[in-house]
Amino acid sequence: EAGVVQSPRYKIIEKKQPVAFWCNPISGHNTLYWYLQNLGQGPELLIRYENEEAVDDSQLPKDRFSAERLKGVDSTLKIQPAELGDSAVYLCASSYEGGNEQFFGPGTRLTVL
Amino acid sequence: GDSVTQMEGPVTLSEEAFLTINCTYTATGYPSLFWYVQYPGEGLQLLLKATKADDKGSNKGFEATYRKETTSFHLEKGSVQVSDSAVYFCALIPYTGRRALTFGSGTRLQVQP
Repeated sequence: EAGVVQSPRYKIIEKKQPVAFWCNPISGHNTLYWYLQNLGQGPELLIRYENEEAVDDSQLPKDRFSAERLKGVDSTLKIQPAELGDSAVYLCASSYEGGNEQFFGPGTRLTVL
Repeated sequence: GDSVTQMEGPVTLSEEAFLTINCTYTATGYPSLFWYVQYPGEGLQLLLKATKADDKGSNKGFEATYRKETTSFHLEKGSVQVSDSAVYFCALIPYTGRRALTFGSGTRLQVQP
């Protein structure tokens, strides 16, 4: 079974530029999560989708961050414009609907210069 | 709100030593508890879990017991190997409400040959 796929693995941009991350969850997983992991810390939830609906986006900084999961499968997280403080690892995870066990992708490491 | 506290690292051990990484939590009700492991350059992998009081999760020689009375979920291994060197995260999901993992800050384990 293929795991959660994320791309790109690494991204370096200058501040004020836009950036997008892509995630393809495990087949059959209705629930998709985006987490932010700052250096030396545990991940924190940005947004959770049940199929194509964003059911928890309370921690997503909506002034610059946006996300979509149009067909309820893969998802894109966007930052526009990026700030220096956005440098972090962006993790995608998926699970069965209502399931406790979340499966994580390898993450995208973003560096904003 | 919910929170997870882990012992700070790094924890440095010699091969075949006994490992304990402490984890305590604050949550209402009966959360599900998890240990995730993150190897260098990789995403988070679920190591073990427990869903109710007195449950013991185990995998790859690691064990942790859900202690409701002390709100703890300490990770143990009887004999560590160099290949166990990684960052270990304790996490919880509440029984009801927000279906997102709350992570501790992680504990880095370094095993020397």
